[in-house]
Amino acid sequence: DAKTTQPPSMDCAEGRAANLPCNHSTISGNEYVYWYRQIHSQGPQYIIHGLKNNETNEMASLIITEDRKSSTLILPHATLRDTAVYYCIVRVQQAGTALIFGKGTTLSVSS
Amino acid sequence: NAGVTQTPKFRVLKTGQSMTLLCAQDMNHEYMYWYRQDPGMGLRLIHYSVGEGTTAKGEVPDGYNVSRLKKQNFLLGLESAAPSQTSVYFCASSYPVGSNYGYTFGSGTRLTVV
Repeated sequence: DAKTTQPPSMDCAEGRAANLPCNHSTISGNEYVYWYRQIHSQGPQYIIHGLKNNETNEMASLIITEDRKSSTLILPHATLRDTAVYYCIVRVQQAGTALIFGKGTTLSVSS
Repeated sequence: NAGVTQTPKFRVLKTGQSMTLLCAQDMNHEYMYWYRQDPGMGLRLIHYSVGEGTTAKGEVPDGYNVSRLKKQNFLLGLESAAPSQTSVYFCASSYPVGSNYGYTFGSGTRLTVV
């Protein structure tokens, strides 16, 4: 699986959009981009994933560049409860593979 | 629908003792995983299973064994606990590859080996 690079930490004001970048310059054509987050000491929570098109769900939007070498997770209106560690993972969708986590980005949302 | 349930939630072991962590899921997921997370670190994959009766090694399998005798359960065993195995252990499950569903994680087991 391709490796990803994320900033170790970011700050965001409550109510503003949080834009979390991820670099995956060695991504292969069949690798998906996944985002998870971990709030405090809880188990990680799935947010969103995509291959090459932009994706949106009730939690967030995922913007993938045309060359697929980077992506941005957007939380449109961050709240204090969005304070968490956010993991960007690239993964081939084939039998026997598993998610490999890095250190992620710690997002701190303040009022 | 409880999702993924891990037992116990907390445990203190003495060096050399053995124990089994239980993970149960009620979502009929095919795949199950065990991860460990040390302070300030991301999750590291220990073992995983792609179906009943099958298991495979992850990134850090040494010192652990697993079994998947029933589809809904995935057991993680420590035969002789060491202080280096002090960690938070997370279990997860997922549908087969190709599904739009992501992983569902349990709430974790906090293990201290003294």
